[in-house]
Amino acid sequence: EDQVTQSPEALRLQEGESSSLNCSYTVSGLRGLFWYRQDPGKGPEFLFTLYSAGEEKEKERLKATLTKKESFLHITAPKPEDSATYLCAVEPFTGTASKLTFGTGTRLQVTL
Amino acid sequence: NAGVMQNPRHLVRRRGQEARLRCSPMKGHSHVYWYRQLPEEGLKFMVYLQKENIIDESGMPKERFSAEFPKEGPSILRIQQVVRGDSAAYFCASSPSGQFYGYTFGSGTRLTVV
Repeated sequence: EDQVTQSPEALRLQEGESSSLNCSYTVSGLRGLFWYRQDPGKGPEFLFTLYSAGEEKEKERLKATLTKKESFLHITAPKPEDSATYLCAVEPFTGTASKLTFGTGTRLQVTL
Repeated sequence: NAGVMQNPRHLVRRRGQEARLRCSPMKGHSHVYWYRQLPEEGLKFMVYLQKENIIDESGMPKERFSAEFPKEGPSILRIQQVVRGDSAAYFCASSPSGQFYGYTFGSGTRLTVV
C-alpha cells in the first residue's frame, strides 16, 4: 500500500528564517510526486510536480527536491503570507493513473 | 476563466437525509476526481470519473455513496442517509484529458451532519 508521511506536523518560523519540510514516501513505482498548498477553508493549490530523483523545481521562495525515498520543500526567507498547510502526494505507476495518495500535511506559521 | 466550481460551499444535513454535492470542472477538462478530507486526516481518494463513465471508485464506501458525471451538467456526489461520520470537507478536482500534470481543486463543500 502506498504511504506518504510528512514531517513535522507543524512548524513555526519567524519571518526570514529558512527551513525545510519533509515528505517520505513508499510507493510501488513513482509516476510523480506533487506538492500543494492549502489555506484554511480552501482547496489545495498546486505548486510542483517532480518525476525523477535529482529533479528540482523552484517558485519564488519555494524549492522542491526529490530523492528515491523522500522529497523536501525548502522555504527560503519566508514571509507571513507563506503561512499555510503544505501537502505532499504521490501518484504510483501501478493502478489507476492520476489517483493520488496524500500525506496529512505540515502546518506552517510564519510570524513577524 | 473560472476554476473548478463546487456548490454548495457549506451543507448541513440531519442524520438520515440525503446530501448532494456538485462539481463543475474547469472549461475543457473532462476528468473529475472526488476526495474527502476528514478532520486531522489527509485527503483520501474517493472516485474518478470521465463523462458518463466511472473509471475508478475504489475509494467510495460500499453503501450510501454514489457519483455521476453526466454528458451535460456537473458531476454529482450523492450521499444517502447521512451519518455523523460523513461530516467532512469534500473536494472535487479536474484535469484535461490526456497526460496528467496535477489537479486543479475546487474550494470544497463542507458537509456537517447534525
